[in-house]
Amino acid sequence: SQTIHQWPATLVQPVGSPLSLECTVEGTSNPNLYWYRQAAGRGLQLLFYSVGIGQISSEVPQNLSASRPQDRQFILSSKKLLLSDSGFYLCAWSVIGPGQGRTGELFFGEGSRLTVL
Amino acid sequence: QKEVEQNSGPLSVPEGAIASLNCTYSDRGSQSFFWYRQYSGKSPELIMFIYSNGDKEDGRFTAQLNKASQYVSLLIRDSQPSDSATYLCAVNLSGGSYIPTFGRGTSLIVHP
Repeated sequence: SQTIHQWPATLVQPVGSPLSLECTVEGTSNPNLYWYRQAAGRGLQLLFYSVGIGQISSEVPQNLSASRPQDRQFILSSKKLLLSDSGFYLCAWSVIGPGQGRTGELFFGEGSRLTVL
Repeated sequence: QKEVEQNSGPLSVPEGAIASLNCTYSDRGSQSFFWYRQYSGKSPELIMFIYSNGDKEDGRFTAQLNKASQYVSLLIRDSQPSDSATYLCAVNLSGGSYIPTFGRGTSLIVHP
């Protein structure tokens, strides 16, 4: 069966410090991968998605970046965190395409709660 | 801008009652519709998806889709305190990107 792991679960970082969140998926190949952010009391905001190795699409201009160095690995980074980067970050995967009988159900990791002070 | 709207709630129902959660969407060409449940402090988990007009039942959950009126709803029968959570509606918009747009969620409280 497919599993998704995300870490770290919780982190507190000072403003201006770097960030690296990592996500890996097991049990499937060539998944679509996503990074979402959920601010307190807000909905899910899509940050990045990837349909393959090295293919990253950004949805929102910001000081964050994403990379996909391997098929089932997705990394969210920042060189200098802002206070507004605080939130609950969620990695997700999906298998898409009508030919596969799926049309975009997302499966989420456990989430990473980031507090920027 | 293509949107997915939900009443933020909270929706409070007594244990054993039917909880009805609603979602409207603006993109008439939307293809797929999902309901996720999110417990406080946890990540969302998929509970239902529906693609065709009408009802789809899975245990105590029923998803209802009306594309003409552009709404999708989730009914929870025999509500339990363990159903207390935020329910997120997600819609795959037209264009074939298969990237869902989420509503902000409805908070459901089931009281004993």
